[in-house]
Amino acid sequence: AQKITQTQPGMFVQEKEAVTLDCTYDTSDQSYGLFWYKQPSSGEMIFLIYQGSYDEQNATEGRYSLNFQKARKSANLVISASQLGDSAMYFCAMRGTASGSRLTFGEGTQLTVNP
Amino acid sequence: DTAVSQTPKYLVTQMGNDKSIKCEQNLGHDTMYWYKQDSKKFLKIMFSYNNKELIINETVPNRFSPKSPDKAHLNLHINSLELGDSAVYFCASSQWGSNQPQHFGDGTRLSIL
Repeated sequence: AQKITQTQPGMFVQEKEAVTLDCTYDTSDQSYGLFWYKQPSSGEMIFLIYQGSYDEQNATEGRYSLNFQKARKSANLVISASQLGDSAMYFCAMRGTASGSRLTFGEGTQLTVNP
Repeated sequence: DTAVSQTPKYLVTQMGNDKSIKCEQNLGHDTMYWYKQDSKKFLKIMFSYNNKELIINETVPNRFSPKSPDKAHLNLHINSLELGDSAVYFCASSQWGSNQPQHFGDGTRLSIL
């Protein structure tokens, strides 16, 4: 069974500052993928970044980076230079080779960027 | 160009009715999914089809029946709607394999009166 834990129900950050959203996971799969999605108030799910369990380098996509610590089973999302448009719900998710193709989601973190 | 499109966007109906939600993807993906997002924003897999074959069927009431006429379409039919079915239903698609992100439709907000 897979489990994703996001311990921060809500986070606040000042515009232009960096913020880290926490994600820890549990799985018995040897090969797995970790994903972050953004859900703005309009409701759509936007894929942000992916990290494979065998990737040696942390993933980066523009202002998003994933701080992957395999031994600690954590995959934190770092957003640099926060913008007002970053205010949204952020979901960490996992997909393992032994679990079919399903995504298992965490409960999400509501990020608010203050001007 | 919409990648994953689902219709309708909003669905308001009475308890006991039967309704369908349609989903289509133009990404050439071979796997499609239905997820349910409850009032607390928690997302959970309901069904998954790979090349029109059902591969994931979570503990969903049998009032919910998915149908995949081809790889690009996955529809969800719900019989005898109940109050607890009120949620946002997301369709998604991807290529089979754990390193492929799933692309989501915009969701269908189902409200049962």
